[in-house]
Amino acid sequence: AQRVTQPEKLLSVFKGAPVELKCNYSYSGSPELFWYVQYSRQRLQLLLRHISRESIKGFTADLNKGETSFHLKKPFAQEEDSAMYYCALSITNAGKSTFGDGTTLTVKP
Amino acid sequence: GAGVSQSPSNKVTEKGKDVELRCDPISGHTALYWYRQRLGQGLEFLIYFQGNSAPDKSGLPSDRFSAERTGESVSTLTIQRTQQEDSAVYLCASSLSGIINEQFFGPGTRLTVL
Repeated sequence: AQRVTQPEKLLSVFKGAPVELKCNYSYSGSPELFWYVQYSRQRLQLLLRHISRESIKGFTADLNKGETSFHLKKPFAQEEDSAMYYCALSITNAGKSTFGDGTTLTVKP
Repeated sequence: GAGVSQSPSNKVTEKGKDVELRCDPISGHTALYWYRQRLGQGLEFLIYFQGNSAPDKSGLPSDRFSAERTGESVSTLTIQRTQQEDSAVYLCASSLSGIINEQFFGPGTRLTVL
């Protein structure tokens, strides 16, 4: 069975510092990996997906199949990045998505 | 256009009662998902619909939980004989299809079982 692990429940950094939110997964096949974000009082929404290789709001994430990781990174954190971040794994054509427990990021001024 | 909507936004019920939660997906989205989020925990997959059929019901925690979808639109999640451990936020999401598409989430229904 697939599993997503986000080892940090809470992460706090100062504005302008680099930030990395860790995500590790276990799945024997080739998964699709996503990062979703939930800002205060807003809905959960897609931040980025690995297949599009985009940089959204300065965030990037690289799929490392060898380490089975999909860490989310931003070189210079901003206060507005404070939110709950979820890493998710989907199996092609199966519909089911598995989410991690989430990491609450706080960016201090 | 309107996003995914869910009703009610909050539901308080007594242990043993049945509850029905509703989800209206984005028009044209064929895939629909239900998740449960307990306090301080991540999203727990419950069930997935492709059209009106549910190819994956593996996440339903017990036979007290059921869900249906009609007209490839609205879905209802029913919890019978609610227990206190059912207290959680129930999230619904929809996507264009079930083949790895971005999921659009509703605001959730906060269920409290007393």
